[in-house]
Amino acid sequence: DSGVTQTPKHLITATGQRVTLRCSPRSGDLSVYWYQQSLDQGLQFLIQYYNGEERAKGNILERFSAQQFPDLHSELNLSSLELGDSALYFCASSVEADLGLLDEQYFGPGTRLTVT
Amino acid sequence: AQKITQTQPGMFVQEKEAVTLDCTYDTSDPSYGLFWYKQPSSGEMIFLIYQGSYDQQNATEGRYSLNFQKARKSANLVISASQLGDSAMYFCAMREAPVQGFQKLVFGTGTRLLVSP
Repeated sequence: DSGVTQTPKHLITATGQRVTLRCSPRSGDLSVYWYQQSLDQGLQFLIQYYNGEERAKGNILERFSAQQFPDLHSELNLSSLELGDSALYFCASSVEADLGLLDEQYFGPGTRLTVT
Repeated sequence: AQKITQTQPGMFVQEKEAVTLDCTYDTSDPSYGLFWYKQPSSGEMIFLIYQGSYDQQNATEGRYSLNFQKARKSANLVISASQLGDSAMYFCAMREAPVQGFQKLVFGTGTRLLVSP
């Protein structure tokens, strides 16, 4: 158990719908990362938040957005869903107390999204 | 741009034998970190081992060791005394040192390891 929790574990929804994925980082971790794992794209970084602020952005679609709340949990919002959005979405967290510290990221169990 | 290459889509090993999973990387930054993660069939990503670009010694964590050859830009994972539970997908990842902010992990395509009795 990494200490990172994600809900829900599975999500099945229809095209055009909107869903919210939730992540709670490990206690004490200030940074939250979101990754998408799909068969054709592999593991891709989407976005990072550090202590409530957006810090880095990857290949995140405009239909997707995220935020980190004062209690440090994070939500990833996916809207106007398409079949190609079906994937495993991971949240990871790390301490990142200091700039330049290359600390490891601990991953949650993931949310498997199926768009039908 | 960062790039991670794992050239072995699949590897087979017998229980109790050692196995090496290859990883090469490409970066122009002198400061970076290399990570290995394990993904069993259940789907979770498990952190295994980390090597910093300035670390003088190869990283080791139990049965896992990282064969770091900086000049060759390779960071191979060595699993000693393989166990059936080692059967999983293994990902190599790299992160450059932050310059203008925190940087992401870039992952390779993974190697599927199958351990047979």
